[in-house]
Amino acid sequence: AQTVTQSQPEMSVQEAETVTLSCTYDTSESNYYLFWYKQPPSRQMILVIRQEAYKQQNATENRFSVNFQKAAKSFSLKISDSQLGDTAMYFCAFLATVNNAGNMLTFGGGTRLMVKP
Amino acid sequence: NAGVTQTPKFRILKIGQSMTLQCTQDMNHNYMYWYRQDPGMGLKLIYYSVGAGITDKGEVPNGYNVSRSTTEDFPLRLELAAPSQTSVYFCASRRASSYEQYFGPGTRLTVT
Repeated sequence: AQTVTQSQPEMSVQEAETVTLSCTYDTSESNYYLFWYKQPPSRQMILVIRQEAYKQQNATENRFSVNFQKAAKSFSLKISDSQLGDTAMYFCAFLATVNNAGNMLTFGGGTRLMVKP
Repeated sequence: NAGVTQTPKFRILKIGQSMTLQCTQDMNHNYMYWYRQDPGMGLKLIYYSVGAGITDKGEVPNGYNVSRSTTEDFPLRLELAAPSQTSVYFCASRRASSYEQYFGPGTRLTVT
């Protein structure tokens, strides 16, 4: 079984600054994906970024990038030039591609991010 | 293209009542999922389906049932509602060739 841990229940950042959200995971699988999802007050789950474990290069999507440390089982999310619309809950999620019937996602407990003007 | 839709958006049930949460996707995705999100927590998988006629249990299936008679629809049935089922319920889907799941807007259910 996999576990995903987000050790920062809440964080805040000033608008236009950079913030990093932490995520660690525990697994014995070698083939997997990692995701960051954003959940704004509207409740909608929005995929922010994903990383395939076999890729060494860190994924980037505009202002969002990850620091994937496979040996340390760490997957942090960096948000650059923070905007008020980034205020949301952020969930780290793990998906094993083998030995995972249905390919279920395992979620961390979330980090609530507030961007201050 | 509406994506994944869920009805209702909100519902209050009395203990012991039953209801069905509806989920429909128009992307012709084979895989569909039901998750629940308790306050301040991440999502946990209730049931999933890999195609019409095929369903299986997730992490927290007790108190729920599902069916998948068509590719588009994946309803979740609550029998004998209990306060422990107070939660937000999300439906998701994905195509077989990608691991990215697309989520519906959620249903907030309160059981009192």
